[in-house]
Amino acid sequence: AQRVTQPEKLLSVFKGAPVELKCNYSYSGSPELFWYVQYSRQRLQLLLRHISRESIKGFTADLNKGETSFHLKKPFAQEEDSAMYYCALFYRQLTFGSGTQLTVLP
Amino acid sequence: GAVVSQHPSRVICKSGTSVKIECRSLDFQATTMFWYRQFPKQSLMLMATSNEGSKATYEQGVEKDKFLINHASLTLSTLTVTSAHPEDSSFYICSATGQLTSGANVLTFGAGSRLTVL
Repeated sequence: AQRVTQPEKLLSVFKGAPVELKCNYSYSGSPELFWYVQYSRQRLQLLLRHISRESIKGFTADLNKGETSFHLKKPFAQEEDSAMYYCALFYRQLTFGSGTQLTVLP
Repeated sequence: GAVVSQHPSRVICKSGTSVKIECRSLDFQATTMFWYRQFPKQSLMLMATSNEGSKATYEQGVEKDKFLINHASLTLSTLTVTSAHPEDSSFYICSATGQLTSGANVLTFGAGSRLTVL
């Protein structure tokens, strides 16, 4: 069975500080991994996917198959980054982690 | 492109009544739609997967007679919570996957529907 774990429910950092949101997965095949973000009072939206190897809003995430991780990183957090972040794995269906509420303090 | 509209955004109903939630793909044909449920401070849990024109596939533990899903067209899926009870109060989110005219595959979420059963 596929599983996604986000160990931190809450994460607070100061503006300008680096931020890392952790995501670990368990899946025996070659996973397709995503990060979704939900800003306050807005819908869930795709932030990035590992196969694109792109950087959205300064965020990057590298798939580490050895550690089965897909941590989300940003070198300098901004207040507008405050949101709920979900890591997700796709194989026939999308399985979500429990989410991490990121708060960027001024 | 790739917009999913979900309606209503909020609904309050009395215990024992039925509530219908609509999920529409506005600018693409959704070959598959997914329905999720989110309890407070918890993750999104997949309830069912529906393909246009066929019966929905429900996840284990989800009562198909209680949560009726219809996917009659490539742009519309509905979730009906029948004989709702307070424990059905939750946030329901749909998502749709399909292909844009450009050929790009998309997976997009609706804004969600907050159901409160009194």
